[in-house]
Amino acid sequence: KAGVTQTPRYLIKTRGQQVTLSCSPISGHRSVSWYQQTPGQGLQFLFEYFSETQRNKGNFPGRFSGRQFSNSRSEMNVSTLELGDSALYLCASSLEGTGVYEQYFGPGTRLTVT
Amino acid sequence: GDSVTQMEGPVTLSEEAFLTINCTYTATGYPSLFWYVQYPGEGLQLLLKATKADDKGSNKGFEATYRKETTSFHLEKGSVQVSDSAVYFCALKDSNYQLIWGAGTKLIIKP
Repeated sequence: KAGVTQTPRYLIKTRGQQVTLSCSPISGHRSVSWYQQTPGQGLQFLFEYFSETQRNKGNFPGRFSGRQFSNSRSEMNVSTLELGDSALYLCASSLEGTGVYEQYFGPGTRLTVT
Repeated sequence: GDSVTQMEGPVTLSEEAFLTINCTYTATGYPSLFWYVQYPGEGLQLLLKATKADDKGSNKGFEATYRKETTSFHLEKGSVQVSDSAVYFCALKDSNYQLIWGAGTKLIIKP
């Protein structure tokens, strides 16, 4: 079974631009969660999508948004990029969002904002 | 809110040494607890988990026991290898079924 894939793996953007990151979950998984990882703040939860609906949201500004498609693939978008948005963005999928279903992580997208 | 505290790193050990990485948590209710590992340049992998008090999770020689009385979930391994060098994250699943993470502990194993 193919794992979680994220594209692109690396991205360099300029302050003020916007960016879209993509995540393809493991086949059959319906829940996709996004996390931001930085040296200063560690791992922080962005949001979770289940069956095309945002089910949970972390404490991030509205510049961070996402969506999920009917095939469970998910995208996250960051508008008006700031230098502080430079981070590793991780996507994780699971069969279900509830219970103790394991989350499987992708390799991440490394975003650098200059 | 819920939180996870783990020992600061880096932790540097010699090969075959005994490893303990401390993790304590604050949570309402009885969360599930996890240890994840991140190897250089890679995403996170679930190492082990425990879903209720006194459960012991184990995998690849690593163990951790869910201690409700001390709100702890310390990671241990009897004999570490160079290949265990990575960053280890303790996490809990909160009442919204989202993972709350510790800051991570970098482990360096010297041959």
